[in-house]
Amino acid sequence: AQSVTQLGSHVSVSEGALVLLRCNYSSSVPPYLFWYVQYPNQGLQLLLKYTTGATLVKGINGFEAEFKKSETSFHLTKPSAHMSDAAEYFCAVSAYRIQGAQKLVFGQGTRLTINP
Amino acid sequence: DSGVTQTPKHLITATGQRVTLRCSPRSGDLSVYWYQQSLDQGLQFLIQYYNGEERAKGNILERFSAQQFPDLHSELNLSSLELGDSALYFCASSVDISGGTDTQYFGPGTRLTVL
Repeated sequence: AQSVTQLGSHVSVSEGALVLLRCNYSSSVPPYLFWYVQYPNQGLQLLLKYTTGATLVKGINGFEAEFKKSETSFHLTKPSAHMSDAAEYFCAVSAYRIQGAQKLVFGQGTRLTINP
Repeated sequence: DSGVTQTPKHLITATGQRVTLRCSPRSGDLSVYWYQQSLDQGLQFLIQYYNGEERAKGNILERFSAQQFPDLHSELNLSSLELGDSALYFCASSVDISGGTDTQYFGPGTRLTVL
């Protein structure tokens, strides 16, 4: 089965500092990977996704993630944090390649806090 | 705004009761997904419908059922409710044409509280 593990349930950074949210995946086939953000009292919004091709993926709001097969990782980064980035972030893998189903398997989430 | 709508926004009910959650997908999306988000289980996939047919099933209890209607809206029915069913229930939709790479667009969720 495919799975993702997010390291750190809570990350706190200062405004203007680098944001690094970690995600490692487990998959016996090349994975499709996603990062979603959930702002308070809202649904999930796609930040970016990796399917095939370029391993550095750029998303919305200045976020990017790099797919590293050798490290089975898909970490999310942003060079300079803004107060508006405070939210919960979820890494997910599509089960399609194993199960033929479009369902997403989510990590436990990382709550990002930005300190002024 | 993702274009996915869910009603109601909040639902408070008692144990043993039955509720129905409703979802309208984005215009043009044929697939609807239901997810449950709880503190202990995180975000869990429940079920997917594609153009009226059940496509995939996840960790959905037998007390729960869903359907997708000809106009593509979907309903999730939860019966014999227990305290542990209290959670945020999300609906998502996608076009579902790209073999696992489609973006799923999430609604704002329905928060269910079982007392």
